[in-house]
Amino acid sequence: GDSVTQMEGPVTLSEEAFLTINCTYTATGYPSLFWYVQYPGEGLQLLLKATKADDKGSNKGFEATYRKETTSFHLEKGSVQVSDSAVYFCALSDRVGNTPLVFGKGTRLSVIA
Amino acid sequence: DSGVTQTPKHLITATGQRVTLRCSPRSGDLSVYWYQQSLDQGLQFLIQYYNGEERAKGNILERFSAQQFPDLHSELNLSSLELGDSALYFCASSAAQRGYTDTQYFGPGTRLTVL
Repeated sequence: GDSVTQMEGPVTLSEEAFLTINCTYTATGYPSLFWYVQYPGEGLQLLLKATKADDKGSNKGFEATYRKETTSFHLEKGSVQVSDSAVYFCALSDRVGNTPLVFGKGTRLSVIA
Repeated sequence: DSGVTQTPKHLITATGQRVTLRCSPRSGDLSVYWYQQSLDQGLQFLIQYYNGEERAKGNILERFSAQQFPDLHSELNLSSLELGDSALYFCASSAAQRGYTDTQYFGPGTRLTVL
């Protein structure tokens, strides 16, 4: 079945550092790809998405590019802030229909001032 | 605020008991999904409803059941509760337009503690 693999956390960075969180996927079709973020004590919020190969999703300074050749969707941000401290989830959904999300295990990011 | 509401926010109960979790989707969304988040299993899909009908089933135990009502709100029923059922339960909704992969919007979750 479909699956998502994320880099293990936790990740600790200093403010203004560059962030990369790796995500690779296995899927039989052509899935849509998502990054969700979960702030402490809250639910999941959609951060960005991409629905086809070479699409770039971006939001709040975060970016991720759908790479079909490497089956990857790595999350990047040029300069992290303390307020970015959260758990980040990579997920996929079957592109054919409205199917449930398959999530990675999540990566906890801590940004220190 | 995603527009998806869940009640209650917290639930503490004992083993063997039965509880009901409630979800109201975003206005106009036809599809509701239930997910369980636990420390050991991560985020796992339980069940999906579309306009009142069950659409997909994931790793949902036989002790668990759900339904979606005519007003599109959904309830997840958990019975014969065990310690291992302690988790955060999320509801998500999407517009589920035909031929288009919609974004799922998540509620704040219900934290269930089984003692």
